[in-house]
Amino acid sequence: GQQLNQSPQSMFIQEGEDVSMNCTSSSIFNTWLWYKQEPGEGPVLLIALYKAGELTSNGRLTAQFGITRKDSFLNISASIPSDVGIYFCAGLTQGGSEKLVFGKGTKLTVNP
Amino acid sequence: DSGVTQTPKHLITATGQRVTLRCSPRSGDLSVYWYQQSLDQGLQFLIHYYNGEERAKGNILERFSAQQFPDLHSELNLSSLELGDSALYFCASSTHTGGHGYTFGSGTRLTVV
Repeated sequence: GQQLNQSPQSMFIQEGEDVSMNCTSSSIFNTWLWYKQEPGEGPVLLIALYKAGELTSNGRLTAQFGITRKDSFLNISASIPSDVGIYFCAGLTQGGSEKLVFGKGTKLTVNP
Repeated sequence: DSGVTQTPKHLITATGQRVTLRCSPRSGDLSVYWYQQSLDQGLQFLIHYYNGEERAKGNILERFSAQQFPDLHSELNLSSLELGDSALYFCASSTHTGGHGYTFGSGTRLTVV
């Protein structure tokens, strides 16, 4: 089945540092999404990308939809303690069964 | 509050038992999706319903079943429970195709003892 390879698995950074994580797949997706999950909660949508090459920002977050449609990255600039959580990439295929395929997540820890 | 309501929040039950998890989608959303989240497997898609009809199935065990009712709420039934079924179960909802992403509920934490 379709799989998303998300890296890194975990990151430990200092407050103020920039963060970068990415997701790759052997399959083509026509929509890429990035979610954040905090303890005890469900994933919350951060950014949605709909076109190959698209670069979208949401505050300190920036994400890009890869040209090949098989990858995406998420950058967080000037990290703050509340950025702590697990970040998931997700891909939505065109047509077929309508489901999001998720990466295994990147666990981010920010030291104040 | 995401607008997707899941009950109960926590559930502890014994092996071999059956439980029902409930989900009310966000107002106006016709699609409901169920996901299982365990530590080693991440978020695994179980099943998708759209306006009462099953649209897609993922790696859902035969011991698990789901349905979506006319009022659009959905139930996930888990039977003959095993220790390995312990996980977080999330419901998400979306508009027609989900192309703008899903809205997740807070999940039900199931512990099988």
